[in-house]
Amino acid sequence: EAGVVQSPRYKIIEKKQPVAFWCNPISGHNTLYWYLQNLGQGPELLIRYENEEAVDDSQLPKDRFSAERLKGVDSTLKIQPAELGDSAVYLCASSLGSETYNEQFFGPGTRLTVL
Amino acid sequence: GDSVTQMEGPVTLSEEAFLTINCTYTATGYPSLFWYVQYPGEGLQLLLKATKADDKGSNKGFEATYRKETTSFHLEKGSVQVSDSAVYFCALSDPTGNQFYFGTGTSLTVIP
Repeated sequence: EAGVVQSPRYKIIEKKQPVAFWCNPISGHNTLYWYLQNLGQGPELLIRYENEEAVDDSQLPKDRFSAERLKGVDSTLKIQPAELGDSAVYLCASSLGSETYNEQFFGPGTRLTVL
Repeated sequence: GDSVTQMEGPVTLSEEAFLTINCTYTATGYPSLFWYVQYPGEGLQLLLKATKADDKGSNKGFEATYRKETTSFHLEKGSVQVSDSAVYFCALSDPTGNQFYFGTGTSLTVIP
């Protein structure tokens, strides 16, 4: 069974440029998560989807970040414009549902460097 | 709010040594508790979990017991191997499943 797929794996851009990350969750997983992981820190939730609906985006900086999950399958996270402080690893995860006991399966992440 | 506090690293052990990585949590109600592991160059993967008090999660020789009285979920392994070198994250999911919190991670290096 294929795991969570993310692309690109690495991205280097100059500040003020836009950037987008793509995630394809495990087939059949209704819940999709985007996390931000700074160096030496644990992942921090940015947004959670149940199917195509964003049910928790309270931690998403909406002035520059946006996300979508059309058709409730794959998802895109966008930053426009990027700032130096956005350099981090962006993780996508999926689970069968959002019940507390459900395991989240993580993709390898996209490492973003903003110059 | 809910949170997870994890033992600072890095931790360096010799092969076959005993491992403990401490994790304590703050939560209302009865959260589920997890340990995730991140091997070099790979994504996080679930190592073990416990969903109620006194449950013991175990996998690959690792164990952790959900202790409500001490609000702890310490990770242990009796004899570590070089292949256990990775970053370990303690995590909490609140009872509703709406919030998920990770600790800061503990880097483990096992030397032959």
